[in-house]
Amino acid sequence: DAKTTQPPSMDCAEGRAANLPCNHSTISGNEYVYWYRQIHSQGPQYIIHGLKNNETNEMASLIITEDRKSSTLILPHATLRDTAVYYCIVSEYNFNKFYFGSGTKLNVKP
Amino acid sequence: DGGITQSPKYLFRKEGQNVTLSCEQNLNHDAMYWYRQDPGQGLRLIYYSQIVNDFQKGDIAEGYSVSREKKESFPLTVTSAQKNPTAFYLCASSTGLGGYTFGSGTRLTVV
Repeated sequence: DAKTTQPPSMDCAEGRAANLPCNHSTISGNEYVYWYRQIHSQGPQYIIHGLKNNETNEMASLIITEDRKSSTLILPHATLRDTAVYYCIVSEYNFNKFYFGSGTKLNVKP
Repeated sequence: DGGITQSPKYLFRKEGQNVTLSCEQNLNHDAMYWYRQDPGQGLRLIYYSQIVNDFQKGDIAEGYSVSREKKESFPLTVTSAQKNPTAFYLCASSTGLGGYTFGSGTRLTVV
């Protein structure tokens, strides 16, 4: 079973920051937080992952709370091409099995 | 370029027939996975393999079978025992450390 809780949908204006929340209150000490997104009828695409510290790459930033029970994925300047379902996954790093919930459908509007 | 190739992209099957979905990777990844996705739903794990000649059932393995004879290949057979096979099937691979790389998927329809 998925170990995360995400809102089913969110809207964001084009050019604004999109902040996608994820609750993972039962996360254990050796589990990472991963974010993927899936554009309609395609395979999921890796975005970012982290353990404790905040992370940033060319696609997004990941903010993890100090108690690690929740996190936020930030797309700093959302574009129409960022419209997708975003999945937050909690998993161990070694030979992990990913359990996908229903994710958050992000609608970026002009 | 390295990646995962799933074929075919679309597949039609008559009721009662077995069908095999192909998944090939040239990433030199040890682990491979098969997921099923129904409309509006998340992905559910069917089977996974961490090493050649070894594989384990996921959450919804009934009616499916796999093999892992080569590191690069992890075919999935949807058997006639699978009562509701129409779905989007996704294959993934990983080094065993960290994240997955997904293929582009096969959409199977039973006619």
